[in-house]
Amino acid sequence: KQEVTQIPAALSVPEGENLVLNCSFTDSAIYNLQWFRQDPGKGLTSLLLIQSSQREQTSGRLNASLDKSSGRSTLYIAASQPGDSATYLCAVFTGTASKLTFGTGTRLQVTL
Amino acid sequence: NAGVMQNPRHLVRRRGQEARLRCSPMKGHSHVYWYRQLPEEGLKFMVYLQKENIIDESGMPKERFSAEFPKEGPSILRIQQVVRGDSAAYFCASSPAPGQGAFRPIDGYTFGSGTRLTVV
Repeated sequence: KQEVTQIPAALSVPEGENLVLNCSFTDSAIYNLQWFRQDPGKGLTSLLLIQSSQREQTSGRLNASLDKSSGRSTLYIAASQPGDSATYLCAVFTGTASKLTFGTGTRLQVTL
Repeated sequence: NAGVMQNPRHLVRRRGQEARLRCSPMKGHSHVYWYRQLPEEGLKFMVYLQKENIIDESGMPKERFSAEFPKEGPSILRIQQVVRGDSAAYFCASSPAPGQGAFRPIDGYTFGSGTRLTVV
């Protein structure tokens, strides 16, 4: 059974800092991994999608890496801004099961 | 196309009533997935549907919950005789038809904004 863990559960940083969010999964036979952002009371916004054959993806100030063999992914946020404050969710799609398995998220607060 | 559309955004039901949640997938997407997010918890898979076909309902509670995706119209998640523990955010996602014969969304998921169900 696939299990996804995200650490830390919560993180508070001052504006301008670079930060790393971690995601680990127990079953390395994934098809892809997706990072989402969720604002309070809102839906999910897809940030980055990494296929199992890829090592990383970049979008603006965001960079996600994937080490499938060790069951890990990181989301790197450069030069954080207060608008980055949200919960960040990692989800993996395992080919043998037709569904995403989500981590419980990292709640990020970027302070002025 | 505005993306995956869910309605209503908020739904309040008294215990024992029925709740019907609707999801219209993105244009061109033929696969719909329902997830539930309980307060302070992560999203949990409920059911995966194609048009007129349930592919995987392993995450659905055994009683009171049902889902359908008819040939015409939105996908419906139906909860009968709601209880307080059903209060949660229900999210729908859609994906294109998978490639190469396996049910694997190569383009990732697009989620709707969710329906927040409150049972009073």
